[in-house]
Amino acid sequence: NAGVTQTPKFQVLKTGQSMTLQCAQDMNHNSMYWYRQDPGMGLRLIYYSASEGTTDKGEVPNGYNVSRLNKREFSLRLESAAPSQTSVYFCASSDGRVDIQYFGAGTRLSVL
Amino acid sequence: KNEVEQSPQNLTAQEGEFITINCSYSVGISALHWLQQHPGGGIVSLFMLSSGKKKHGRLIATINIQEKHSSLHITASHPRDSAVYICAVRGNYQLIWGAGTKLIIKP
Repeated sequence: NAGVTQTPKFQVLKTGQSMTLQCAQDMNHNSMYWYRQDPGMGLRLIYYSASEGTTDKGEVPNGYNVSRLNKREFSLRLESAAPSQTSVYFCASSDGRVDIQYFGAGTRLSVL
Repeated sequence: KNEVEQSPQNLTAQEGEFITINCSYSVGISALHWLQQHPGGGIVSLFMLSSGKKKHGRLIATINIQEKHSSLHITASHPRDSAVYICAVRGNYQLIWGAGTKLIIKP
């Protein structure tokens, strides 16, 4: 049972490059989330998708775009990476907005 | 002031000790979550509670809604409990996350 799968696990980018972080869940969950985690800070919500076909901004959406491709997949795109986007990114899913969230293993991104 | 405050930030204890990690919040909530982040980075949900107390193995979570405070207790701590423990509260729309408590259990 895979749960929430994120790819890649590690990525190094140069300033200005673009990339897409992929996330897929096999639990038939309605809601999916993208977070970033920086040292000394709690998880901060970037974007979320309450259900297939909908996306909403979270606390720190600037510099990111998302796509809820289908019920399983929720991708996060950095169009023009900046050093301030160096972070660990987590994808999560839940059955509903008040339910327990299940997390992927994270993507460690460095922007040089 | 952060809406979710955890204490202590860091905690080192000997194997077998009783551990308490605290979480205080300043907003109205519908639920509170405790999660564990392993040294490798993986995050696992431990509890979700809105009142009273929950127990799972050696872990106990309590919440006092009136005092806006929750505690996570670990009995008979073990080195494998070493991790970052994170408190998150659900406000109106989204989870508000604490910064985490880093726990190290020495053998």
